[in-house]
Order: sequence, then structure tokens, then C-alpha cells
Amino acid sequence: GQQLNQSPQSMFIQEGEDVSMNCTSSSIFNTWLWYKQDPGEGPVLLIALYKAGELTSNGRLTAQFGITRKDSFLNISASIPSDVGIYFCAGLGRSGATNKLIFGTGTLLAVQP
Amino acid sequence: GAVVSQHPSWVICKSGTSVKIECRSLDFQATTMFWYRQFPKQSLMLMATSNEGSKATYEQGVEKDKFLINHASLTLSTLTVTSAHPEDSSFYICSAPGLAGTDTQYFGPGTRLTVL
Repeated sequence: GQQLNQSPQSMFIQEGEDVSMNCTSSSIFNTWLWYKQDPGEGPVLLIALYKAGELTSNGRLTAQFGITRKDSFLNISASIPSDVGIYFCAGLGRSGATNKLIFGTGTLLAVQP
Repeated sequence: GAVVSQHPSWVICKSGTSVKIECRSLDFQATTMFWYRQFPKQSLMLMATSNEGSKATYEQGVEKDKFLINHASLTLSTLTVTSAHPEDSSFYICSAPGLAGTDTQYFGPGTRLTVL
């Protein structure tokens, strides 16, 4: 099925460092979401983006929706050990009468204390 | 935010048996729920859309006779893996759309299925 491409695939950083990850698509999405998944759990919503060019923050997290609506980035500032996990972007697309999420390939983040 | 629960958290079964997984929206009603499958180190792949009061819509390549979906009420959807085989072992996650007027989805904690 269709997927969004995320980069990098994985990141290993020191506690306190800032992190940036990207997500790109060949298709336009009207809504872009960023999720974090801890091992053995379901994804948890971090940030939702609804307008092209929109820049939204949630604590140490900042995400922007690209002008073309085909890409987005997520920044994490001053990383801490609990930031460890897999980060997924997801585009919300329309299929018939239903909105469906298309997930990115994921970015694994490891933070060394 | 909206809360979605799943039961069981994990299940181990013998090959050939059927397994039922429940997905509940705890503090809101959901006429639509989604079922995803996630293999190790991979992303979430949508399997089907569960519709209250009507048949589920399956994604291409997903066998509807093997993965039976029943949306019994506005707060409950079930996924039954029939005649499970080891290749069906995976992490199954459901989600439900959030509050009206938003397009966000809230996910359950997932169910780890292991077929021996």
C-alpha cells in the first residue's frame, strides 16, 4: 500500500540534543499527523496539522506542514530519555466517504542519557 | 483526548484456531473504526474500515473471510482472525476518529497475536 517516506530511518543522539525528522509524500494531504509509538503500544498523537504552511508546537515538539502539503517536519528540542520511541507521520486521505490514515515508514529515536 | 481500549493485550493460540480481538471507544461513540496490522520493525498498514450497522470495507489484499469484522455498537468493533496460522502473528491495532470536527484518530494500545 501507499506509504509516506520518513528520514532518517533511525537516530542515536545524546540527551539534551535537538532532533529533526522529515516526512515526504507524492500525494497531497489535507491533514498531517505526527504520532509516537512506544514498544508494544499503540501510537499516541503528538501534533495535528491542518493548514499548508502551519507551524504548531506542543511543549518541546514543533511541527510544520509544508506549503505544497506534500511534506512535513517534526523537531524535538532538548531531548530527554523518555523521547525514545518510533515516530510516525501520517497523512489523512479521502477514500470514498471515509478518511483514511496513510502512515510513514517511521523514524526510530534513541536517546543516550 | 479520546480513549480507545483493546482486549486482550496479548494472545497466544494454536494454529487453526480462531481469535477475537475487541476494540472499544470508552468515552465517545464511533460509527467508524479502523483496524491496522503492524509487523516487527514495520509501519502500520490499514487492514479494514469497520462501519457500525453495515459491512466492513477491506483494503486490497486483505482476506475478508479470514479477518471477520463486526461493528456491533457505536462503541465496539471486533476483529476475528479465523483459522489462524503462524504468518498471522502480528501486532493488531484499532483506532477511532476523535471529536466531531477534527480529523484526528485515536489508537488503542494494540493486541499482540502469536500463533504457534
